[in-house]
Amino acid sequence: DAKTTQPTSMDCAEGRAANLPCNHSTISGNEYVYWYRQIHSQGPQYIIHGLKNNETNEMASLIITEDRKSSTLILPHATLRDTAVYYCIVRVLADKLIFGTGTRLQVFP
Amino acid sequence: NAGVTQTPKFRVLKTGQSMTLLCAQDMNHEYMYWYRQDPGMGLRLIHYSVGEGTTAKGEVPDGYNVSRLKKQNFLLGLESAAPSQTSVYFCASSYWGGEVGAFFGQGTRLTVV
Repeated sequence: DAKTTQPTSMDCAEGRAANLPCNHSTISGNEYVYWYRQIHSQGPQYIIHGLKNNETNEMASLIITEDRKSSTLILPHATLRDTAVYYCIVRVLADKLIFGTGTRLQVFP
Repeated sequence: NAGVTQTPKFRVLKTGQSMTLLCAQDMNHEYMYWYRQDPGMGLRLIHYSVGEGTTAKGEVPDGYNVSRLKKQNFLLGLESAAPSQTSVYFCASSYWGGEVGAFFGQGTRLTVV
């Protein structure tokens, strides 16, 4: 599995866009980029995933660079309820799911 | 549709005791996983299963055993609990392809004294 690098923590003002970066410079061609988040002590929640193209759903947008060595998760209008640890994971489909240490996002009023 | 259900939610064990954690999913998922999460840490994969009757080791398998006799259930066993196994345990399930991501249970908080 490719390794990912994420900042340990980030802050964001409520109502502003939260941009969470992830570096995956050793990603291989068949590996997808997944994002999960964990709010407080709950089980992680799937957010979004992509291979090459940018993706958007009701929760977030995923921007993957053309060389696929990095990506950014965008929460367009962060709320206090978005305060959580965000995990970036790269994996091939049907492979085991390995978590890193993630980014602790703090949304403040 | 309950999703992923873990039993029990809380448990206190004495060192050397054994116990089994049960994970049940009603989504007909092929893949199931057991993770542990220590305070301030990320999730670490203990064991996983890609289908009924199959299991595989994850990152931290020592001290744990698993079984997947039925597709909907994935059991995690501790034969002789140690204080180092004090943790929160999460179960998850997913379709084999992972197209829609994995679903997680609410966690089991285990304390070994």
